[in-house]
Amino acid sequence: DTGVSQNPRHKITKRGQNVTFRCDPISEHNRLYWYRQTLGQGPEFLTYFQNEAQLEKSRLLSDRFSAERPKGSFSTLEIQRTEQGDSAMYLCASSFGANEQYFGPGTRLTVT
Amino acid sequence: GIQVEQSPPDLILQEGANSTLRCNFSDSVNNLQWFHQNPWGQLINLFYIPSGTKQNGRLSATTVATERYSLLYISSSQTTDSGVYFCAVNGLITGKLIFGQGTTLQVKP
Repeated sequence: DTGVSQNPRHKITKRGQNVTFRCDPISEHNRLYWYRQTLGQGPEFLTYFQNEAQLEKSRLLSDRFSAERPKGSFSTLEIQRTEQGDSAMYLCASSFGANEQYFGPGTRLTVT
Repeated sequence: GIQVEQSPPDLILQEGANSTLRCNFSDSVNNLQWFHQNPWGQLINLFYIPSGTKQNGRLSATTVATERYSLLYISSSQTTDSGVYFCAVNGLITGKLIFGQGTTLQVKP
């Protein structure tokens, strides 16, 4: 069990560019979650998948954000036309069913 | 939606002291987790405790689901305990975790 992994760990991009992050969950976990954390705040839920199906999306997930989990394994989170307000830590977690969630190390996004 | 409140927001201790962190939540929950966030941002799982009491070394946690609160106890604190502690819950019909604002703990040598 290698834990949840995320790539890249850091991303600096210019406003208006598109970025994509990847998350690889713990192998036997069927649920995968995306959260966003800004400085001084607790993580906020964005969306989650059970296998390939996207079951819930937050209102925070504007139409510039899209997440996929095409084969029920890894997931990608894409942000189009990035804005400075998108600067945050993007966290991925996985679980087996509605049980304990385990988090990856996060991707820190800076939009200049 | 469910509201999660943590107290105190900040806590400063001398090494060796004990502390209690509190988490209140506004509705019935399926699960409750305590995390420690390290300086690099990684969330470390401490306890998965929807009810009852658990202990792990110098840390223990108690959740009283009927009264909608959980407590995290840290005994004989060490400088490595410094960081932000989060409580997070998920409701009965959703898988998402809702986090509190965290308690920032500083342990001085």
